[in-house]
Amino acid sequence: NAGVMQNPRHLVRRRGQEARLRCSPMKGHSHVYWYRQLPEEGLKFMVYLQKENIIDESGMPKERFSAEFPKEGPSILRIQQVVRGDSAAYFCASSPPRGDGSYEQYFGPGTRLTVT
Amino acid sequence: DAKTTQPTSMDCAEGRAANLPCNHSTISGNEYVYWYRQIHSQGPQYIIHGLKNNETNEMASLIITEDRKSSTLILPHATLRDTAVYYCIVRPSNTGKLIFGQGTTLQVKP
Repeated sequence: NAGVMQNPRHLVRRRGQEARLRCSPMKGHSHVYWYRQLPEEGLKFMVYLQKENIIDESGMPKERFSAEFPKEGPSILRIQQVVRGDSAAYFCASSPPRGDGSYEQYFGPGTRLTVT
Repeated sequence: DAKTTQPTSMDCAEGRAANLPCNHSTISGNEYVYWYRQIHSQGPQYIIHGLKNNETNEMASLIITEDRKSSTLILPHATLRDTAVYYCIVRPSNTGKLIFGQGTTLQVKP
């Protein structure tokens, strides 16, 4: 069973461009989470999605950031008009739902975004 | 969300057991204790989780005190590849997000 896949692994964008980060969850997983790790800082939750639904976006910046998890295809984290402060590692995780609320999240290798 | 307190860093000799403590004195009844680790700048790796009972898997053991206010992650035979930042996280069952603190940097030495 392949793990969580993220692409690209490294992405370089100039200020003002758009960045699209893709995440394919593990087979059978219908929940996706995005986290960001700024240089020399800890991991911060951004958004939690199920198929076609945003469940919790409390960690998403109010502007320029959006996420989706369509019925078919990978989850996309989109950053419009990138700025240097967006340079970070973006990690995606997926999990299967469990009736008792206990479920572990499995993380992908991350996408390193560099804004020049 | 319950907060956790972990030592900033620990050392362990290769081949010995590594015991990583975590304090979560404000934990609520529906909150699980999760342990993850991050090796270098790789994606975090799930280790183990539990609610009340002690748990063991192929990677580690999780010991939760009876009052659930603290727990210990045990790596029975630490290797150099276990050098990583270890995160203890308390998560309510009705929310998906994991809140990562600063974790414990475990250095396994030969």
